[in-house]
Amino acid sequence: AQRVTQPEKLLSVFKGAPVELKCNYSYSGSPELFWYVQYSRQRLQLLLRHISRESIKGFTADLNKGETSFHLKKPFAQEEDSAMYYCALWGDTNAGKSTFGDGTTLTVKP
Amino acid sequence: DGGITQSPKYLFRKEGQNVTLSCEQNLNHDAMYWYRQDPGQGLRLIYYSQIVNDFQKGDIAEGYSVSREKKESFPLTVTSAQKNPTAFYLCASSKQDNSYEQYFGPGTRLTVT
Repeated sequence: AQRVTQPEKLLSVFKGAPVELKCNYSYSGSPELFWYVQYSRQRLQLLLRHISRESIKGFTADLNKGETSFHLKKPFAQEEDSAMYYCALWGDTNAGKSTFGDGTTLTVKP
Repeated sequence: DGGITQSPKYLFRKEGQNVTLSCEQNLNHDAMYWYRQDPGQGLRLIYYSQIVNDFQKGDIAEGYSVSREKKESFPLTVTSAQKNPTAFYLCASSKQDNSYEQYFGPGTRLTVT
């Protein structure tokens, strides 16, 4: 079975402060991990994926297989980062089956 | 936006009635997905289809049915057997190229009374 846990439902930081959204997963094989974001009144969209190892909008995420984590980080939060963030997993077996976490609502205060 | 559409945006039904939610995509994607989104519970996978005329159950398929007769379309039927059908339903599509990036529709909010 595959499982994704986002322990924080709500996260609030001040503008300019560092932010970390936590994601832990459970999967026995080699997972593909992603962060999706949903801004107010917009569709859910891909933010970044671990295989590309890229930084999008200043966010990065490192896959830590030892700790089974894929935390999303940004050194200096901006007000426009306020949104709902979902961590998602695809397994290397049972291809096509995706699992999303419950989401974290990030609020960046001015 | 565009590429993947869902209709209608809001849907109201009486208890005991089946209802079909539409999902269409013009992205030439092979794979399509249906999720249910409830407050505090994130997205839960109902059904997914990797190719025309084939689909698999997700984590919460009971009370739902789908068809995939065309590449562009993946309608979801919420049957009277679904005990808690009131929810926000999201459709998504993706290429079958191991990128796994999903493109989401705007969603349909179904209310059953």
